Amino acid sequence: GEDVEQSLFLSVREGDSSVINCTYTDSSSTYLYWYKQEPGAGLQLLTYIFSNMDMKQDQRLTVLLNKKDKHLSLRIADTQTGDSAIYFCAEIHNDYKLSFGAGTTVTVRA
Amino acid sequence: GAVVSQHPSWVICKSGTSVKIECRSLDFQATTMFWYRQFPKQSLMLMATSNEGSKATYEQGVEKDKFLINHASLTLSTLTVTSAHPEDSSFYICSARDVGLETGELFFGEGSRLTVL
Repeated sequence: GEDVEQSLFLSVREGDSSVINCTYTDSSSTYLYWYKQEPGAGLQLLTYIFSNMDMKQDQRLTVLLNKKDKHLSLRIADTQTGDSAIYFCAEIHNDYKLSFGAGTTVTVRA
Repeated sequence: GAVVSQHPSWVICKSGTSVKIECRSLDFQATTMFWYRQFPKQSLMLMATSNEGSKATYEQGVEKDKFLINHASLTLSTLTVTSAHPEDSSFYICSARDVGLETGELFFGEGSRLTVL
């Protein structure tokens, strides 16, 4: 099976909160990441969380980590049209390689 | 944050020709760079790890003679797709690790879209 799994699609109304969920498998991952990809572009690091943290907040972004269940989530408050993109969660392995989920396509509707 | 630049952003070539894609870390040194391939609407697939001054390490199933990687300096890695065929058409993305950061954060280039006719 896949190392990292996430739901494929999310549709949200402008102004509402978006929550993207992810599960990973490598219990030794020291950091977990959320990347954003806009059409035809590379990946932009949105935020990351250290494995000994439960939560990290950065402006409109809130990351929750449940290490016991290997569950990671990203909450985007007050979602805007510019937030429409594909969001990837990723875990890092000891050799600094990243494993990515399949990506969640977030569509923000007016 | 740190900047990684890829060139070219997009390239169209004829079948049978070779194409070189460059990946540069602009404001930091990167002893390790990674090359990924992304098919439409799919995730990134790690192709190889590029190590400065030594041979690249390829993932299982990736042909090393097909995808030549050279990491001649601390700021430059190149990926050459040799004898390209239409099935090599894809979005190629590189990333680089800033050894000065403890987070292991990888910085990604903007990607290079290859279309082989």
